[in-house]
Amino acid sequence: QKEVEQNSGPLSVPEGAIASLNCTYSDRGSQSFFWYRQYSGKSPELIMFIYSNGDKEDGRFTAQLNKASQYVSLLIRDSQPSDSATYLCAVMVDYKLSFGAGTTVTVRA
Amino acid sequence: EAGVTQSPTHLIKTRGQQVTLRCSPISGHTSVYWYQQALGLGLQFLLWYDEGEERNRGNFPPRFSGRQFPNYSSELNVNALELEDSALYLCASSRQGAEETQYFGPGTRLLVL
Repeated sequence: QKEVEQNSGPLSVPEGAIASLNCTYSDRGSQSFFWYRQYSGKSPELIMFIYSNGDKEDGRFTAQLNKASQYVSLLIRDSQPSDSATYLCAVMVDYKLSFGAGTTVTVRA
Repeated sequence: EAGVTQSPTHLIKTRGQQVTLRCSPISGHTSVYWYQQALGLGLQFLLWYDEGEERNRGNFPPRFSGRQFPNYSSELNVNALELEDSALYLCASSRQGAEETQYFGPGTRLLVL
């Protein structure tokens, strides 16, 4: 079992819609969770981090964490064409960041 | 505040050669991490340096090595290059401690022919 798994996508949403990205992890001891955005040919850019169960909102982005279910998600509200990218879920495991394979999101204008 | 910087941006090498990649962390960050992003394989953790010491290592052979200097900059060395080493090599930095948020540099794209 992979340490971090994401829905593979690609995910296509119309402009203005909500994009929902999911991530599960295997290590129950994980305490830190991150979402990065990566445009094609570029390096990952931090969007959000979350440590506690529940929701965390930052602008149009909301991260949700459920440690009991070992599940973390990212919602993108009012999706814009500039949100088209690959979104990487990352989980701190044994003092190293483990990444999911990423979900590619395309926002249709 | 300047971000993480890496050099060179692109590199072409042949099999068997050696390569050195460089990284300067964000000012105030003492931890440096190296990742490999090969096509179709996702981001793989390589090495973590903090205060000049190697703190953790991913599942890579010993020909991948590095060091961290007193000014917290870092080098990644890859010996005996193989074709499958072709990848984007990313450096990230954070404040001290692996639990801190990591910020990535622009990467070095290595092509091994």
